[in-house]
Amino acid sequence: GAVVSQHPSRVICKSGTSVKIECRSLDFQATTMFWYRQFPKKSLMLMATSNEGSKATYEQGVEKDKFLINHASLTLSTLTVTSAHPEDSSFYICSATLALTQYFGPGTRLTVL
Amino acid sequence: RKEVEQDPGPFNVPEGATVAFNCTYSNSASQSFFWYRQDCRKEPKLLMSVYSSGNEDGRFTAQLNRASQYISLLIRDSKLSDSATYLCVVTLENNDMRFGAGTRLTVKP
Repeated sequence: GAVVSQHPSRVICKSGTSVKIECRSLDFQATTMFWYRQFPKKSLMLMATSNEGSKATYEQGVEKDKFLINHASLTLSTLTVTSAHPEDSSFYICSATLALTQYFGPGTRLTVL
Repeated sequence: RKEVEQDPGPFNVPEGATVAFNCTYSNSASQSFFWYRQDCRKEPKLLMSVYSSGNEDGRFTAQLNRASQYISLLIRDSKLSDSATYLCVVTLENNDMRFGAGTRLTVKP
């Protein structure tokens, strides 16, 4: 099946710093990618839809100035958590669609100290 | 009301048991339906799509009732390796996906 990678898989940072997470579709092109976050024992919550060559679409309640999304190519989308706070600590997962099926990246666990 | 609701779980069953998960969705215009499996601290992985005619994949059977807006997953002859969280996922007409909260299954020896 299709493969989606994420980097880094785990990151620990200090409050106030920014963290960039990359999401790549390895063997297919994705005009649209999705970013989710997941708190412990909770389901995935869609944060935003990343569109290649245009602005991302954010879900209600997600601060676009805090969670910067860039989809510069058909195989790469990046999520930057700016001025991270401890409450941003979470598991961030991206996905891309191929033939109506969502393929998920392995996730990035962010811990903000 | 949540867009996708699942049995709260957790389900603790012995090996060999049959277990069924239920899911309801609120948007009658939903287009596609899936069951995903998520292991602890891992990403969700597609288990199977769900079709109106019902579909089976080995020990797993999925069914969809559009009139009742209800989806089910049946696991027969449970294995220890089936222990995971099972997510009911619905795709809306604009291709947005909505996830259920997941049902945790633990299969015990």
